Amino acid sequence: KNEVEQSPQNLTAQEGEFITINCSYSVGISALHWLQQHPGGGIVSLFMLSSGKKKHGRLIATINIQEKHSSLHITASHPRDSAVYICAVTPWETSGSRLTFGEGTQLTVNP
Amino acid sequence: NAGVTQTPKFRILKIGQSMTLQCAQDMNHNYMYWYRQDPGMGLKLIYYSVGAGITDKGEVPNGYNVSRSTTEDFPLRLELAAPSQTSVYFCASREAGGYNEQFFGPGTRLTVL
Repeated sequence: KNEVEQSPQNLTAQEGEFITINCSYSVGISALHWLQQHPGGGIVSLFMLSSGKKKHGRLIATINIQEKHSSLHITASHPRDSAVYICAVTPWETSGSRLTFGEGTQLTVNP
Repeated sequence: NAGVTQTPKFRILKIGQSMTLQCAQDMNHNYMYWYRQDPGMGLKLIYYSVGAGITDKGEVPNGYNVSRSTTEDFPLRLELAAPSQTSVYFCASREAGGYNEQFFGPGTRLTVL
């Protein structure tokens, strides 16, 4: 079993819909990251969380440390949000602040 | 700043050939990482470095070598290419300590035939 599990693996939505991607992890962590991988392959960091909630534009990330669970929400989705969204964690006592990654969620937003 | 740069963008190798994937960053980050991404799979850590002269193995180091002679550069060497090394390779860097995000390079798509 992977230390980081994401659901769903694939998600298709219509423009304007509210989207939720979930991430569960099984180890103690110092931080959780949400990343976006564009169709061209580039990876960018969206959020880094250790508690609570963060918002950036139409994107909201939440984390529940006790339940070892995080969600990424996209409000008013748009076709340009189509990408792979990756959850990653930094486990406690990991040298070099290494990340452990989920397998990603492929999001397609249709116009 | 150019951020994290990788060369080449694409490469086709024959089985048994060798090559070096280049990675450089201009943000003065101490921590650097090499990942591979196979289709439908999560990113896997190959090697990482916490500073010049210091490297360590990640989850999947077999068939690869690294060096870190400067803060800026972190090349990844494939000595005897095998079809199992066909993948997309990403280099990343971050500031040491604390609560810092990783910055990724654009990736190198490698095919071994």
